[in-house]
Amino acid sequence: AQKITQTQPGMFVQEKEAVTLDCTYDTSDPSYGLFWYKQPSSGEMIFLIYQGSYDQQNATEGRYSLNFQKARKSANLVISASQLGDSAMYFCAMREGLGQAGTALIFGKGTTLSVSS
Amino acid sequence: DGGITQSPKYLFRKEGQNVTLSCEQNLNHDAMYWYRQDPGQGLRLIYYSQIVNDFQKGDIAEGYSVSREKKESFPLTVTSAQKNPTAFYLCASAYSGAYNEQFFGPGTRLTVL
Repeated sequence: AQKITQTQPGMFVQEKEAVTLDCTYDTSDPSYGLFWYKQPSSGEMIFLIYQGSYDQQNATEGRYSLNFQKARKSANLVISASQLGDSAMYFCAMREGLGQAGTALIFGKGTTLSVSS
Repeated sequence: DGGITQSPKYLFRKEGQNVTLSCEQNLNHDAMYWYRQDPGQGLRLIYYSQIVNDFQKGDIAEGYSVSREKKESFPLTVTSAQKNPTAFYLCASAYSGAYNEQFFGPGTRLTVL
C-alpha cells in the first residue's frame, strides 16, 4: 500500500486565486512528520513547509499553509494568492520514526500545478 | 556558502559501464541520501547513510553502490547491473534528529546510450 497518496496529477489555477493540493498518508507510527517540497522545471527540490504529528496547530509559512487533519490522515497544502512562479511540481513526503536518527523521506508521486495569468 | 553540490549535471553512459555520481555537502550534516526520480514520478530512495562508514539500502538499491568515507561526501556508483539507469538522481543531506528537513542538491541527469 502506498504510504503517501497524491490523487491530483495536475491542477490549474489563475493568478491571485488560492489552490489546495491534496495529500493523504498511511502510517501506524504515532511520531511522524509531513513535508511539502516544490520542484520547478530546473529539477531542484525546494522545501516549503513541515507539520509534526504532535503539532496542535496547522503550519504556515508565508503564502503556504498545511491543512492537517490527523484523524483523516490528510495533509493538504494550501497556496494563497497564486503567482506565475508557483507553476511547478509539488511533492508531499512523510518521515516516520521521528525519534530515530536519519530515517529517510517517503514521497508521493506529485501534483503538477499550472498558474495562468 | 553552505550547500550541496552534485556533479556532473548531465552524464551519458554506454551500456555495460559503471559510472559514479558525486555528492558533496558543507552543511555539517550527519545523514546523506540518494534518490532516483523517473519522469512524472516521485522520488524513490536508493541508499542512505547516517554516519561515516555506515549506510543502509533503500527501496531500490539493486544495481547501485555507495561509500561514506568522509562526512562531507556520499558518492553513488551506478553499476552495469542496474537494468534501467536512465533517470534523474538527487542527493540530499540532513541533521540527524527528531526533525530533519532534507536539503537537496541540484541533481544529475543520467542517460544510458
